[in-house]
Amino acid sequence: SAVISQKPSRDICQRGTSLTIQCQVDSQVTMMFWYRQQPGQSLTLIATANQGSEATYESGFVIDKFPISRPNLTFSTLTVSNMSPEDSSIYLCSVTTGGYNEQFFGPGTRLTVL
Amino acid sequence: GQQLNQSPQSMFIQEGEDVSMNCTSSSIFNTWLWYKQDPGEGPVLLIALYKAGELTSNGRLTAQFGITRKDSFLNISASIPSDVGIYFCAGLAGNNRKLIWGLGTSLAVNP
Repeated sequence: SAVISQKPSRDICQRGTSLTIQCQVDSQVTMMFWYRQQPGQSLTLIATANQGSEATYESGFVIDKFPISRPNLTFSTLTVSNMSPEDSSIYLCSVTTGGYNEQFFGPGTRLTVL
Repeated sequence: GQQLNQSPQSMFIQEGEDVSMNCTSSSIFNTWLWYKQDPGEGPVLLIALYKAGELTSNGRLTAQFGITRKDSFLNISASIPSDVGIYFCAGLAGNNRKLIWGLGTSLAVNP
């Protein structure tokens, strides 16, 4: 499995500002995903980060609110834009390696918006 | 979006007891994954299942891919305090790489 790190691990932000979360993997991976996990809830897929092209967003998530970059096979960023308290969540990146379906997760970024 | 039916929602057991939880789906899956999430951490993959009827163990954990391909269970034998956490099932159908998630089973172990 890959070793995945996320920065920052947590942050407290003011309403209306933006935060960029980084996901770094120690090896090349095939797919990278971004999830949101609200307190006490299951995981919700935001988008699939595509290398060198626009991310594929799930229903209810849009690029203007959650712009994503994936410049190479080991790194991706998720920006939470124009934040409101409803964006307070844990944001997780995950990856798949090779042709396998197993997803491995980073430690998450705990975001609180005041 | 689609979710799996995961039960029970929570369990409170004594140390040493065995635990069983399961997930069901209305559609056929070709992959079942079981994860454990500790507070403040990301989910950690415990077991992956790829074939109907497959029974796989990882230490004290055993999981099975149901023969109908619409369900899976996870057993934990002789529970210990560090088993505390939230367990999630997740599945994949067809060629779709989007995981469908259960709502989680919260496990508490009384030492």
